[in-house]
Amino acid sequence: GQNIDQPTEMTATEGAIVQINCTYQTSGFNGLFWYQQHAGEAPTFLSYNVLDGLEEKGRFSSFLSRSKGYSYLLLKELQMKDSASYLCAVLDSNYQLIWGAGTKLIIKP
Amino acid sequence: GAVVSQHPSRVICKSGTSVKIECRSLDFQATTMFWYRQFPKQSLMLMATSNEGSKATYEQGVEKDKFLINHASLTLSTLTVTSAHPEDSSFYICSARDLAEPYEQYFGPGTRLTVT
Repeated sequence: GQNIDQPTEMTATEGAIVQINCTYQTSGFNGLFWYQQHAGEAPTFLSYNVLDGLEEKGRFSSFLSRSKGYSYLLLKELQMKDSASYLCAVLDSNYQLIWGAGTKLIIKP
Repeated sequence: GAVVSQHPSRVICKSGTSVKIECRSLDFQATTMFWYRQFPKQSLMLMATSNEGSKATYEQGVEKDKFLINHASLTLSTLTVTSAHPEDSSFYICSARDLAEPYEQYFGPGTRLTVT
């Protein structure tokens, strides 16, 4: 079966760095997405990785290792507004998104 | 960037009535649209996938006669929740994909449905 694992909840301090991990086992692979979702809102796109390596976009970076079925989202200089759920999703061979359960990130002052 | 709208953003209806939710792609042609449901503190659950001009494909456990999906044009898909019950209360989100960009899905803002 298809499976995506990520931690349920993480806590970090304002101004610090946090890394959210995601491991996956899917039928085929056409890329991995990270989305941010604030409570009561739809997900918003953060990043897309299809090749191995690190993609940096401002305070957020995303890493992919296809051989290990592993990705992480790195958030630097954390701000209170970064408190949200972070969803890892893999695009499978049918171009269907397979979703992780999401990681709730709590930022403390 | 591509924009997807949903209407209404919030709806309250009585048990037994039907509710229609619209999903529109505003600046691109959506060959495929997806309907998701999300219960509090849970992840997105795909309900169905619809391709323009054909019948929707429903995920296991989703009643197709209860959740009617119509994707009659390249810019509009509708989800009708028929004979709504309180347990149908949820956050419904649509997303749309352009055939030219199969790796990208654009999400609507979601519709909060409350059935009393």
